[in-house]
Amino acid sequence: AQTVTQSQPEMSVQEAETVTLSCTYDTSENNYYLFWYKQPPSRQMILVIRQEAYKQQNATENRFSVNFQKAAKSFSLKISDSQLGDTAMYFCAFIPYSGGGADGLTFGKGTHLIIQP
Amino acid sequence: DVKVTQSSRYLVKRTGEKVFLECVQDMDHENMFWYRQDPGLGLRLIYFSYDVKMKEKGDIPEGYSVSREKKERFSLILESASTNQTSMYLCASSSLSIQALNTEAFFGQGTRLTVV
Repeated sequence: AQTVTQSQPEMSVQEAETVTLSCTYDTSENNYYLFWYKQPPSRQMILVIRQEAYKQQNATENRFSVNFQKAAKSFSLKISDSQLGDTAMYFCAFIPYSGGGADGLTFGKGTHLIIQP
Repeated sequence: DVKVTQSSRYLVKRTGEKVFLECVQDMDHENMFWYRQDPGLGLRLIYFSYDVKMKEKGDIPEGYSVSREKKERFSLILESASTNQTSMYLCASSSLSIQALNTEAFFGQGTRLTVV
């Protein structure tokens, strides 16, 4: 069984600052995917970024980037030049490659990120 | 545009009622999931299905059942609703596509269920 741990229940930063959300996971799988999902007040879950475990290069999507450390089983999300619209719950999630994703994502408990004006 | 639609955004039911939460996806996805979201607990998997009429228990199936008679529709059933089932329920779907390596899940907007 997999577990995902997000150790920061809530974070608050000023607009335009850089913020890093932490995530660690535990698995015996060798091939898997890691995700960061964002859930704004509208409740719609939105995929922010995805990392494939067999790729050493860290994924980036505009202002969002990850620091993936496979040996340490760590997958942090960095948000640069934070904006008010980044205020949301952020969930780290894991899925093993085996099974084609049919078993579903395992989520962390979430980090509530607040961007202050 | 991909879409997962949940039939209700808000629902209030009485203890002991039978409750149906409906989810429909228009992406021809094989996999469908029901999650429960509670503050401080994140999302927990209730049931999932990887094909029509197939269903598998997730981490917290007690008190719930599911039905998948058509590929696009996945229903969550609370046989006898209880107050501890007051929660946010999220439906998701994804493609079972090994070749495409596409395991991104798409979510509905959630149903906030209150059992009184």
